[in-house]
Amino acid sequence: QVQLVESGGGEVQPGGSLRLSCAASGFSFGVYPMHWVRQAPGKGLEWVARLSHDATSVQYLDSVRGRFTVSRDNSKNTFYLQMKSLRPDDTAVYYCAKDSINWSVDFWGQGTLVTVSS
Amino acid sequence: DVVMTQSPLSLPVTLGQPASISCRSSQSPVSTDGNTYLNWFQQRPGQSPRRLIYEVSRRDSGVPDRFSGSGSGTDFTLKISRVEAEDVGVYYCMQSLHWPWTFGQGTRVEIK
Repeated sequence: QVQLVESGGGEVQPGGSLRLSCAASGFSFGVYPMHWVRQAPGKGLEWVARLSHDATSVQYLDSVRGRFTVSRDNSKNTFYLQMKSLRPDDTAVYYCAKDSINWSVDFWGQGTLVTVSS
Repeated sequence: DVVMTQSPLSLPVTLGQPASISCRSSQSPVSTDGNTYLNWFQQRPGQSPRRLIYEVSRRDSGVPDRFSGSGSGTDFTLKISRVEAEDVGVYYCMQSLHWPWTFGQGTRVEIK
């Protein structure tokens, strides 16, 4: 069965950096685009970024473009989110999600909490 | 960005009664390939989101048939034919045609 396990969250000061990882199993990772979606405490869902299966095509939310970078290692079945210049409004649970090919996401990880605070 | 507007934001429902959630998009999620990229997700308390419906009305495997999606153009609806206790949570619509993909604000379903 599909499993997505995020890690790397924690508390960081404004302006700091953090790298999130998403370990995937139970499907052919190298075939599917992957996404990051976040949820601020008590708030709704916000799509953050998408990376194609071969890492040649990427899309970002405007508010993170230039600060966040997505990447993947298909040999390790792992998806990453490098976050720099973090701001308090980046505080959220970050979910990785598997693309379902037909322009949607069908499986989500359990999420990892990122807290940006001084 | 495409704005997704859900209503109501809070929906108290009696067990066994129907429930309906509306979602309106500021731009149509209809693609040139003829598909409409409108999805519904359920987020139970303390859990990750789970996709229920994609392409307006296609139900995911394992989703009870009391959940149904409908709509066209810019107006979409998620219906629960008979609400059960396990349906408590927040429901989100999401358009997945235009970048960035965008979600509605969420509709909280609770039992009266």
